[in-house]
Amino acid sequence: AQSVTQPDIHITVSEGASLELRCNYSYGATPYLFWYVQSPGQGLQLLLKYFSGDTLVQGIKGFEAEFKRSQSSFNLRKPSVHWSDAAEYFCAVAAGNNNAGNMLTFGGGTRLMVKP
Amino acid sequence: DTAVSQTPKYLVTQMGNDKSIKCEQNLGHDTMYWYKQDSKKFLKIMFSYNNKELIINETVPNRFSPKSPDKAHLNLHINSLELGDSAVYFCASSQTIQNTQYFGPGTRLTVL
Repeated sequence: AQSVTQPDIHITVSEGASLELRCNYSYGATPYLFWYVQSPGQGLQLLLKYFSGDTLVQGIKGFEAEFKRSQSSFNLRKPSVHWSDAAEYFCAVAAGNNNAGNMLTFGGGTRLMVKP
Repeated sequence: DTAVSQTPKYLVTQMGNDKSIKCEQNLGHDTMYWYKQDSKKFLKIMFSYNNKELIINETVPNRFSPKSPDKAHLNLHINSLELGDSAVYFCASSQTIQNTQYFGPGTRLTVL
C-alpha cells in the first residue's frame, strides 16, 4: 500500500521569501503524484500533478514541484511567496496502474503561514 | 457552473440519526469518490465508485453507504450517526484514466 509523509506540520515564511514544502512517498511502482491546496474553510484545489515525463512540473499560482525517484520525493517550491499563499498544502499519491480504484492517499498536510 | 458541488455545506444532527450528503459533478467524469477529513485535517479515502465497480476502504464502517442514481451523482448515506463521524466530508470526481481528481467544497458534519 502506498503512503505519503509530509515532515513539516507548520512552516512560516516571510512574504517574498522562497518556499519549499517536503513530500516523501512510499509506493512500489510508478506513482501518480499531486499537490493540493486548501484555504481555510474551503475545498481542495489542484496545484499540479506528475504522471510521467519531465520530472519538473509547473502548476498554478507560480508553484512547481520536482519528482525525484531516487529520493522518493515530490517537493513543492515557489520562488516568492505571497500573503495569499497562506493555506494548508497536501501531497497525495495514486497508484499509477489504477488497480487501487484510483484512490488518493494523502499526506498529513503542511500549514503555511506567511509573515508580512 | 460549479464543477463538483455538495449539499448541504453544514449539517448538524443528533447521535443515532440517519443523514445523507449529496454530491453532483458536471464534468462528465466516470468516477466519483468520498473522502473524510478529521479534526486534525487528515484526509482519508472512503469510497471510489464508477458505473462498474465500488471500491470501499476497509476501515469504513458499514453504516456508511454510497448511492449513485446516475453517473453525475454520488450521495453518501450515513446510518446511526456517532460522535466520531463529525468531520468534513469531501466528494471528488475524475476521468479514471487521467487520475486527476477535482474536489467539491466539502460538507461539515457535526454530530451532537
